[in-house]
Amino acid sequence: AQKVTQAQTEISVVEKEDVTLDCVYETRDTTYYLFWYKQPPSGELVFLIRRNSFDEQNEISGRYSWNFQKSTSSFNFTITASQVVDSAVYFCALWVTSGTYKYIFGTGTRLKVLA
Amino acid sequence: SQTIHQWPATLVQPVGSPLSLECTVEGTSNPNLYWYRQAAGRGLQLLFYSVGIGQISSEVPQNLSASRPQDRQFILSSKKLLLSDSGFYLCACPGKRGAWGTGELFFGEGSRLTVL
Repeated sequence: AQKVTQAQTEISVVEKEDVTLDCVYETRDTTYYLFWYKQPPSGELVFLIRRNSFDEQNEISGRYSWNFQKSTSSFNFTITASQVVDSAVYFCALWVTSGTYKYIFGTGTRLKVLA
Repeated sequence: SQTIHQWPATLVQPVGSPLSLECTVEGTSNPNLYWYRQAAGRGLQLLFYSVGIGQISSEVPQNLSASRPQDRQFILSSKKLLLSDSGFYLCACPGKRGAWGTGELFFGEGSRLTVL
């Protein structure tokens, strides 16, 4: 069975601090994709990044960076120099491509960036 | 690029009343479609998914049902709402392959349901 765990329910940081959101996944399949989504107060989920199981290269996009480690089944998300606009709920998700159409989401981490 | 429309955006219904939430997709064909529910302050729960017209898979036993009468239309229904049906309902479909990469879900704006 597949599972995504986001152990941090809520995190509060002061603006300009760095923050890392943790994501741990479980799957026995060798081919899968991992995603991060942002849900601002408006409610709509915004896709941030996709990573496939064969690509462990870390990625940086502006203030965002992602650290994918298959050895620990983790796909962590770091925001550098956080801003108030980063305040949102962040979801990590897993999609196993073999024989299923289901995407498994974590329970989300609420990030509050205080001015 | 595909666009996902959901309506109504907001709905307040009494317990025991029926429900119909509609989702339509533009800019793609034969998409897999998904209904998720997010209870207040909670994560995303997969309710239904569909791989084609008339093909519905249910993930959670409940008093909700889904239908897919057309390729790009996905409807969530209930004959009698319960208080526990309150939540934020999201329709989603994967992005296209090729120019859109592989697999990421795109979501509609959501329908917020309050059952009183």
